[in-house]
Amino acid sequence: NAGVMQNPRHLVRRRGQEARLRCSPMKGHSHVYWYRQLPEEGLKFMVYLQKENIIDESGMPKERFSAEFPKEGPSILRIQQVVRGDSAAYFCASSPDQSSYNEQFFGPGTRLTVL
Amino acid sequence: RKEVEQDPGPFNVPEGATVAFNCTYSNSASQSFFWYRQDCRKEPKLLMSVYSSGNEDGRFTAQLNRASQYISLLIRDSKLSDSATYLCVALDQAGTALIFGKGTTLSVSS
Repeated sequence: NAGVMQNPRHLVRRRGQEARLRCSPMKGHSHVYWYRQLPEEGLKFMVYLQKENIIDESGMPKERFSAEFPKEGPSILRIQQVVRGDSAAYFCASSPDQSSYNEQFFGPGTRLTVL
Repeated sequence: RKEVEQDPGPFNVPEGATVAFNCTYSNSASQSFFWYRQDCRKEPKLLMSVYSSGNEDGRFTAQLNRASQYISLLIRDSKLSDSATYLCVALDQAGTALIFGKGTTLSVSS
């Protein structure tokens, strides 16, 4: 059973470009969470999605960031007009159900570098 | 969201040592707590859940004190492979988001 997959693993963008990060949850998991880890910082929750629905986006920056989890295909975290401060590791996690009692399984992360 | 705080360390210990990490959380409504382990430039992985009654998994013992909002992790007989960053984590009140501490770095040397 493949784990959570994220791609690309490394992404380099210049300021002003768009970054698209993809996450495929574990088989059988319908809940996806995105977290961001800035250099020398702890992981911070960004958004929680189920298929075709954003459930909680309270951790998402108000501008330039968006997320989706379509009926078919991976979850996408999209960052428009990237700035240097967006450089971070972005981790996706999935769970089979809302995570009150279920472990969130993390993917290997996408390391975004903005030049 | 409220915070989880932990001593960043680093803790430098010899093999075989016993080491304890502490953590405090500020949201008394948090219901679930965990210790995750994160190796350098890797994803966090669940080490163990933490229960009020305390729980043990091999060389690892976790404790939760709800009254003082305090969580601990004890590692006995440290191995070189225990070297990593240990993340104290609370599940938020909604049961949705994990709230991570910044982590405590452990380095075990021979």
